[in-house]
Amino acid sequence: GESVGLHLPTLSVQEGDNSIINCAYSNSASDYFIWYKQESGKGPQFIIDIRSNMDKRQGQRVTVLLNKTVKHLSLQIAATQPGDSAVYFCAENFPYSGNTGKLIFGQGTTLQVKP
Amino acid sequence: GAVVSQHPSWVICKSGTSVKIECRSLDFQATTMFWYRQFPKQSLMLMATSNEGSKATYEQGVEKDKFLINHASLTLSTLTVTSAHPEDSSFYICSAMTGANEKLFFGSGTQLSVL
Repeated sequence: GESVGLHLPTLSVQEGDNSIINCAYSNSASDYFIWYKQESGKGPQFIIDIRSNMDKRQGQRVTVLLNKTVKHLSLQIAATQPGDSAVYFCAENFPYSGNTGKLIFGQGTTLQVKP
Repeated sequence: GAVVSQHPSWVICKSGTSVKIECRSLDFQATTMFWYRQFPKQSLMLMATSNEGSKATYEQGVEKDKFLINHASLTLSTLTVTSAHPEDSSFYICSAMTGANEKLFFGSGTQLSVL
């Protein structure tokens, strides 16, 4: 399944399928991007990050792709599990701020995993 | 991994009262912490940057006299919502970095409900 964060805030996938969550970021000067997972009533949990000098980065079951030309970021989750159900946010650092921790969050995509 | 603790997890208060929320870095020192607010089904919005030993830096549109931030030590930042009103009801989340160019960790959040 595939979702554009700004236009399709909910993504529903079957357990075991791959998930793709998309995000359009706002500023071409941003050079650091992070994906977070947020479960209901909890704070965001770090998933994976990528710097602007990279196009792709892989973690455990997750891959982040960065396309600076169109200011697009995606999170791919392999073999989606019920425990992956949550809201996923992309975040970019405030332009020209370096990695100071000041982040601009995208609107979020709800991932629902059907058993 | 690094842990950021928030207290309380939730609070209910009467309109006109003030509420203090604590954010602690449990196993590291954080010269800078960040405060975000999140309305239901919305994204996180940065409110202010909390700097140890100096005044906080507020984002545009955030009233500094309404949201008092104190960062008196390297492991504690507090956010006080003064004269709270129902429109201040929100999920407040803090974050802290373990060091320059290091990862950012979020607290578990505080749900504030103002009656």
